[in-house]
Amino acid sequence: GQQVMQIPQYQHVQEGEDFTTYCNSSTTLSNIQWYKQRPGGHPVFLIQLVKSGEVKKQKRLTFQFGEAKKNSSLHITATQTTDVGTYFCAGRAGSYQLTFGKGTKLSVIP
Amino acid sequence: DTAVSQTPKYLVTQMGNDKSIKCEQNLGHDTMYWYKQDSKKFLKIMFSYNNKELIINETVPNRFSPKSPDKAHLNLHINSLELGDSAVYFCASSRGEGNYGYTFGSGTRLTVV
Repeated sequence: GQQVMQIPQYQHVQEGEDFTTYCNSSTTLSNIQWYKQRPGGHPVFLIQLVKSGEVKKQKRLTFQFGEAKKNSSLHITATQTTDVGTYFCAGRAGSYQLTFGKGTKLSVIP
Repeated sequence: DTAVSQTPKYLVTQMGNDKSIKCEQNLGHDTMYWYKQDSKKFLKIMFSYNNKELIINETVPNRFSPKSPDKAHLNLHINSLELGDSAVYFCASSRGEGNYGYTFGSGTRLTVV
C-alpha cells in the first residue's frame, strides 16, 4: 500500500532558528497536504500542493513539492514559540485515500 | 459556529462496554472520515464515507462501525471495547475525497479501563 515517510520525528530548535520537515512517498502523488496540530489540539489544514515543483509561501512557512511529485518539505524561517506543534504531511496517489505521515513534533526553546 | 463537532470530548468506560461517538459537520461537505490517533500521535484512517460509498480500512476490527443517518452526520459505534481501543478519535470532513483539505473535529479522548 501507499506509504508516506516523514522525517525527523522530533526537532528541538532555539527560537529564531529555522526548521524543516521532509516527506517522502514510495509512489508518485497526485497532491500533498500539510497540517499542523498544536499540543492537545486537532490537525488543522495548512495548504495543498498539486503541481510538480510547486512552491507556496505562508508568511514564514515555505512549502515545496518535488519535481517527481514523490517528496515535499515544509520550512519555517525564524521559528517562534507559536510554531510549536506536530506537523503532518498527507499524500494521495491516484484513487488511494489520503495517507498521513507520522508527523514531526517541533519544540521551540525560548 | 463549530464546523465539525464531536461529542463527547472525553469518554471513560470499562472493557466490554459498547459506546458511540457522534460527529456533525455544518460545512456542506459530502465526505466524512474517522481517524484514530494513538499515543505516538500516528493518524490512522478508519473509515471514509460519502453518500455513495463506505471505505473501510481493512485493519479496523469489525467491532467498529460507522453510522451515517444523513450527509451531515457520521457516528462511530464501538462494540466490546478493549484496552487497546484507548486513543483520541477524530472526525473530519472534506468537500471531496483527498483533493481538498480536511476539517477536523476537536477529538474524543477514549479511555478504556
